[in-house]
Amino acid sequence: EAGVAQSPRYKIIEKRQSVAFWCNPISGHATLYWYQQILGQGPKLLIQFQNNGVVDDSQLPKDRFSAERLKGVDSTLKIQPAKLEDSAVYLCASSLKGFETGELFFGEGSRLTVL
Amino acid sequence: AQSVTQLGSHVSVSEGALVLLRCNYSSSVPPYLFWYVQYPNQGLQLLLKYTTGATLVKGINGFEAEFKKSETSFHLTKPSAHMSDAAEYFCAVRDDSNYQLIWGAGTKLIIKP
Repeated sequence: EAGVAQSPRYKIIEKRQSVAFWCNPISGHATLYWYQQILGQGPKLLIQFQNNGVVDDSQLPKDRFSAERLKGVDSTLKIQPAKLEDSAVYLCASSLKGFETGELFFGEGSRLTVL
Repeated sequence: AQSVTQLGSHVSVSEGALVLLRCNYSSSVPPYLFWYVQYPNQGLQLLLKYTTGATLVKGINGFEAEFKKSETSFHLTKPSAHMSDAAEYFCAVRDDSNYQLIWGAGTKLIIKP
């Protein structure tokens, strides 16, 4: 079974530029999550999708971050314009049943460096 | 509000020695508890979880954790460390108000040869 795929693995940009990350979850997983992981901290949930609908985006900085999950499969997270404090690893995860079981499957992450 | 505290951002043990990673949580009700592991340059992987029932939970790679309600703890142990155990370990608790996971800050396990 293929795991959660993310790209790109690494991205370096200047502040005020834009960047997009892509995620393809495990086949059949209805729930998809984007997390931000800053060095030395645990993951922080940015947005949760159930199929192609948003369940929770309360911690997504909507003035600069956006995410979509067209057709309820893969998803894109965009940052525009980027700030220095956005430097982090962006993790995508998927699950079969949502948070009920707590079993999330994570991709390898996309490491963003903002200069 | 629920929270998770992991004592020690770094823990160093010798190969073959006991591994003990500490996790304490705050919750008004018996929680669902999890340990995830993150190997270098990889995503997080579920190591083990406690939901209900037996308080000693066994996971992958020889790890186990014990839920102690009186101590609000869920410490992770392994009798004998292996070099391949070097990774970062995250404890998490499920928030029963929205079912989201609340994460600890992580503990990096270093194995000395």
